[in-house]
Amino acid sequence: AQSVTQLDSQVPVFEEAPVELRCNYSSSVSVYLFWYVQYPNQGLQLLLKYLSGSTLVKSINGFEAEFNKSQTSFHLRKPSVHISDTAEYFCAVTRRSNDYKLSFGAGTTVTVRA
Amino acid sequence: NAGVTQTPKFQVLKTGQSMTLQCAQDMNHNSMYWYRQDPGMGLRLIYYSASEGTTDKGEVPNGYNVSRLNKREFSLRLESAAPSQTSVYFCASSEASRGARSNQPQHFGDGTRLSIL
Repeated sequence: AQSVTQLDSQVPVFEEAPVELRCNYSSSVSVYLFWYVQYPNQGLQLLLKYLSGSTLVKSINGFEAEFNKSQTSFHLRKPSVHISDTAEYFCAVTRRSNDYKLSFGAGTTVTVRA
Repeated sequence: NAGVTQTPKFQVLKTGQSMTLQCAQDMNHNSMYWYRQDPGMGLRLIYYSASEGTTDKGEVPNGYNVSRLNKREFSLRLESAAPSQTSVYFCASSEASRGARSNQPQHFGDGTRLSIL
């Protein structure tokens, strides 16, 4: 079975500062990786995903994540955050073969302050 | 586009009462899922359904039952509610199915906030 560890439960950050959310996974087989975002009182929305190819993937709102196979990591970064980025962020993993279930990390709450 | 619709949005129950949480998706997805979200624990899978007519236990199935009524609808039932089931419940759906398209993301509803006194 696969598992996900998000190393920070809370990340406070000032507006326009950079942020990095760390995610490590454990799996005996190859995986697909996802980052989801949850705004207050809403469901989860897909932020970005790594399926194959370039190890750096980007979202339309300035987030990027890099897949590192040797370190089994998929860290999420944004060079300059906005107040509207205040949310909870979840890293998730699924096995590539014959699976359709996601395993989620515990989540990282990002609070952006002016 | 409604996506994934959950009802009700909020519910308060007394210990021992029963209720059914409803979920419907309009994306013609094969798979549907029920999760619970508790502080500091992320999302934990309760039950899932790879296709119409099939259901399987997830990580935390005790105290719950599910029914995949048709391709669109997947309900979650609490037969005898307990305070430990106080949580936020999310339904999700995906194009992924058993053995195929596991790279497809899941789409989530807005959740049902359930309190059991």
